[in-house]
Amino acid sequence: KQEVTQIPAALSVPEGENLVLNCSFTDSAIYNLQWFRQDPGKGLTSLLLIQSSQREQTSGRLNASLDKSSGRSTLYIAASQPGDSATYLCAVSTGGNEKLTFGTGTRLTIIP
Amino acid sequence: NAGVTQTPKFQVLKTGQSMTLQCAQDMNHEYMSWYRQDPGMGLRLIHYSVGAGITDQGEVPNGYNVSRSTTEDFPLRLLSAAPSQTSVYFCASSYQRTGHEAFFGQGTRLTVV
Repeated sequence: KQEVTQIPAALSVPEGENLVLNCSFTDSAIYNLQWFRQDPGKGLTSLLLIQSSQREQTSGRLNASLDKSSGRSTLYIAASQPGDSATYLCAVSTGGNEKLTFGTGTRLTIIP
Repeated sequence: NAGVTQTPKFQVLKTGQSMTLQCAQDMNHEYMSWYRQDPGMGLRLIHYSVGAGITDQGEVPNGYNVSRSTTEDFPLRLLSAAPSQTSVYFCASSYQRTGHEAFFGQGTRLTVV
């Protein structure tokens, strides 16, 4: 059974710092990996999707990497801003997107 | 585009009552799924569908039914609500083709008393 772990559960950093969020998974036979953002009381917003054949994806200040063989992904956020405060979730699919396995998330707080 | 629309946003039920959580998407996505989110446990898959008329169970299907009569709609039915079903429910949809992200609704916060 696929298990996804995100450590730490919570992280606070001063504004302007670069930071890395971690995601690990137990079964390397994944279809893709997605990073989501969730604001309190809201739904999930997709940030980046990395297909199994890719090593990384970039969108603005965000960069996500994937190392399938070691079962790890990282989400790098450059020049953090208070608006980046949210919970970040990673999810993997071993088939299509109809079945995602989620980590429990990292709650990020950016201190002005 | 409205994306994925869930109704209602909030609901309080008494133990034993039944109800249907509605989910609709306007993106012509083949895949639709229901998840529940509980503190400390992340999102867990309840049921999913790969197309109209096709549904299957996820990780935590007990106490829930689904049907998919159209591409757009994927309702989740609670047959006899229990306090253990108190949770936030999310509906998601995506294309079948590879490389496409999943889209989520805003969630339904359900309390069973």
